[in-house]
Amino acid sequence: GENVEQHPSTLSVQEGDSAVIKCTYSDSASNYFPWYKQELGKRPQLIIDIRSNVGEKKDQRIAVTLNKTAKHFSLHITETQPEDSAVYFCAASIGGYSTLTFGKGTMLLVSP
Amino acid sequence: DVKVTQSSRYLVKRTGEKVFLECVQDMDHENMFWYRQDPGLGLRLIYFSYDVKMKEKGDIPEGYSVSREKKERFSLILESASTNQTSMYLCASSQQGAAYGYTFGSGTRLTVV
Repeated sequence: GENVEQHPSTLSVQEGDSAVIKCTYSDSASNYFPWYKQELGKRPQLIIDIRSNVGEKKDQRIAVTLNKTAKHFSLHITETQPEDSAVYFCAASIGGYSTLTFGKGTMLLVSP
Repeated sequence: DVKVTQSSRYLVKRTGEKVFLECVQDMDHENMFWYRQDPGLGLRLIYFSYDVKMKEKGDIPEGYSVSREKKERFSLILESASTNQTSMYLCASSQQGAAYGYTFGSGTRLTVV
């Protein structure tokens, strides 16, 4: 089955810096890659996703890039703010009626 | 806004008890999922269901069962709770499997003593 590796497991940045979280996947048939943000004590929430027919997607301060050849995708957060502090999960699926396979998560801490 | 509601936020149960975790979604989603979340291990799939009375094993089904008698409700059952099942349990629902991502419930933190 699919295997998703996520790095780093923890990431500390200063407010205003950029943060990058990277994931690799094993199944070349995977075609849907969402990112979830989980604030402390709250539910994971979808923040951005990308499909395999697109190389990059941006939404304000966050962006996701996908390299299908290398089978990796990344989350980029620019101008980080303390409220960006959370655990971020990447995931992958082959779409359709399949399930999501998640990475193990990255704890992002943004210091004022 | 899709709502996925888990009936209990915190539960404490004794070893050997039969435990029911309930999840209800209100957007007529066909697909529902149970994950457990443990530090350093991420989210691991226990069971999922694509339709009423249908269930499929995920990656870690041992010690668990599920029930889906109605479309909106998906129950996770711990037949005989053990201490290694102490965890955060997250329910999720979606339309068309994973094609549009999941909506998660707030989670049930289960402690087995």
